[in-house]
Formats: sequence, structure tokens, C-alpha cells
Amino acid sequence: QSVLTQPPSVSAAPGQKVTISCSGSRSNVGNRYVSWYQQLPGTAPKLLIYENNKRPSGIPDRFSGSKSGTSATLGITGLQTGDEAEYYCGTWDRSLSVWMFGGGTKLTV
Amino acid sequence: QVQLVQSGAEVKSPGSSVKVSCKASGGTFSSYAINWVRQAPGQGLEWMGGIIPILGTANHAQDFQGRVTITADESTNTVYMDLSSLRSEDTAVYYCARDPNPYSTSPYFDHWGQGTLVTVSS
Repeated sequence: QSVLTQPPSVSAAPGQKVTISCSGSRSNVGNRYVSWYQQLPGTAPKLLIYENNKRPSGIPDRFSGSKSGTSATLGITGLQTGDEAEYYCGTWDRSLSVWMFGGGTKLTV
Repeated sequence: QVQLVQSGAEVKSPGSSVKVSCKASGGTFSSYAINWVRQAPGQGLEWMGGIIPILGTANHAQDFQGRVTITADESTNTVYMDLSSLRSEDTAVYYCARDPNPYSTSPYFDHWGQGTLVTVSS
């Protein structure tokens, strides 16, 4: 049971938009930056968003991040079949002094 | 171009130890942190711990207290993760991942190794 709560799955049609939520607490999401990772089947995770809403070089602007209070959200627009993957949020928990990941959300396009 | 290259798959017996390596190229090895994350079959990601090579100090999750040792060899730009007293539940893919801002209160992982499958079986 992860301390960061994500929906197990989301789905949308190609070209549509989807959001994935990540709910935590004041000791983690509420007081730390959140990052998001995409894991395609059989591959290592890949950084999509860091510091709540920044995109690394090479990540298209179809991917966006936001945070409000103790919840963060990943948004993906213009969905493509290649976006089908598991998505994880992550942040540091200052009370437990551990890095934690959400349980992951499987995106079906 | 930053690359993290990990050692190959391992099969271990229960109660034994495994040592996985992660060799970094590109970037300045000592200026960032290397963390270890594992993923059991069909499960999510679990942070194990990390090290800042220039400091040589490591931290780790309580769940691995006394079983995990993370070390760094600056001469070869390599970080090692040693996990002892292996049990079947330790069967997983182990990833190393770079944190480019190790002194930040909000780390993140911008580059990942390819993963090392460790199978614990009698």
C-alpha cells in the first residue's frame, strides 16, 4: 500500500486528453516537489516531469504537471497509442526520510 | 550523454548476497547522487537507498535496514548495491538512477540504468 495514491488505471481514445492524480500528505507532496515517470512495458522508467511542472529536454509539451496542496496531477494531451504505459509519481517524504513512489497508473489508449 | 550501465542478471540462493554494479559515463560523477530502485514482477517501484559519491555517505529505506550496503568507487565511476540475506521476495529488477541535484530537498531521477534481474530461488 503506497503512501502516494494513484488511480490503478485510466483510459481514453487517441487524440483525447487524460489526467492522472497523485494524492499524498503534508509530509511529502504538500512540502516537496513531485516528479513523474513513464514506464513502457519491459523498459526502465523515464523521467517525464520534475519539480512539479518542468519537462526535461526531449519530452513533448503534450505532457504537463501541476500541484495543488497535497495532490499532484499529470496531464497528457493528444494521446497516442505509444503513450500506453505505467505512470508513477514520486517525491521525498520529510517525515519518513524516504523517497516514495505512487502505486502506478496504467494508461490505456 | 549520460549513461548508466548495470551488471548482468543474477540467480542467487536464499540466504546469500548479491552485488549489483552501476557504471556511469558522461556528466561529473561526483556531483550527483546514485539511487537504487527495485521492481518485483508485476509490481510497482520501490526506492532502496542512494549515495553521493563525493561524500561517500549513503542512506537507505528502513525496509532494508541492515541488509543493503551502497558504495561508490570514484576511480571507476561505479556505484555498487549489495543486498544480503536474500529471500524469494527479493526477486526483482534492480535499477540504478541518477539524482542530478543531490543537495536539494526534492530529489528526482533523470537517468536510469537498464535494470538487473535478480532471481532468488533454491
